[in-house]
Amino acid sequence: EAGVAQSPRYKIIEKRQSVAFWCNPISGHATLYWYQQILGQGPKLLIQFQNNGVVDDSQLPKDRFSAERLKGVDSTLKIQPAKLEDSAVYLCASSLVTSGSGEQFFGPGTRLTVL
Amino acid sequence: RKEVEQDPGPFNVPEGATVAFNCTYSNSASQSFFWYRQDCRKEPKLLMSVYSSGNEDGRFTAQLNRASQYISLLIRDSKLSDSATYLCVVARGGAQKLVFGQGTRLTINP
Repeated sequence: EAGVAQSPRYKIIEKRQSVAFWCNPISGHATLYWYQQILGQGPKLLIQFQNNGVVDDSQLPKDRFSAERLKGVDSTLKIQPAKLEDSAVYLCASSLVTSGSGEQFFGPGTRLTVL
Repeated sequence: RKEVEQDPGPFNVPEGATVAFNCTYSNSASQSFFWYRQDCRKEPKLLMSVYSSGNEDGRFTAQLNRASQYISLLIRDSKLSDSATYLCVVARGGAQKLVFGQGTRLTINP
């Protein structure tokens, strides 16, 4: 079974530039999550989708971050404009909507460096 | 105060030793509890769920104390391959929103 795919794996940009990340979840997984993981910290949920609807975006800095999942499959996360403190690994995860096991399957992440 | 608190370590223990990690959570509405493992520069993966009665998976034992809002993970006969960061995770609500602790870094030395 193919896992969660993310691209790019690495991105270096200057502050105030824009950047976009892409995620393709495991086939059949209705729930998709974007997390931000700063070095030395645990992942922090930015946004959760169920199919193409937003379930939780309470921790998404909406002045600069946006995310969409138009057809209920792939998703993109955008940062515009980037700040130095956005340097982190951006992890995408997916799960079955009915999963009570707590198991989310994570992609390899995109490591963002903002200079 | 963080919702999930863990000692970040690092813990350095010799191969074959027993090591235990703890974590505390602040939200009494938390319903589900897990340990995830994250290898260096890799993604987190579910290690095991944690049940009130305590549960074991091979060399790993997890326990939950709801009254004290405390979760533990015990690793017996540690192996070099156990070196990783262990993330304590709590969830509340049917939406399966996971809240991660900052992780405890473990290094097993030969």
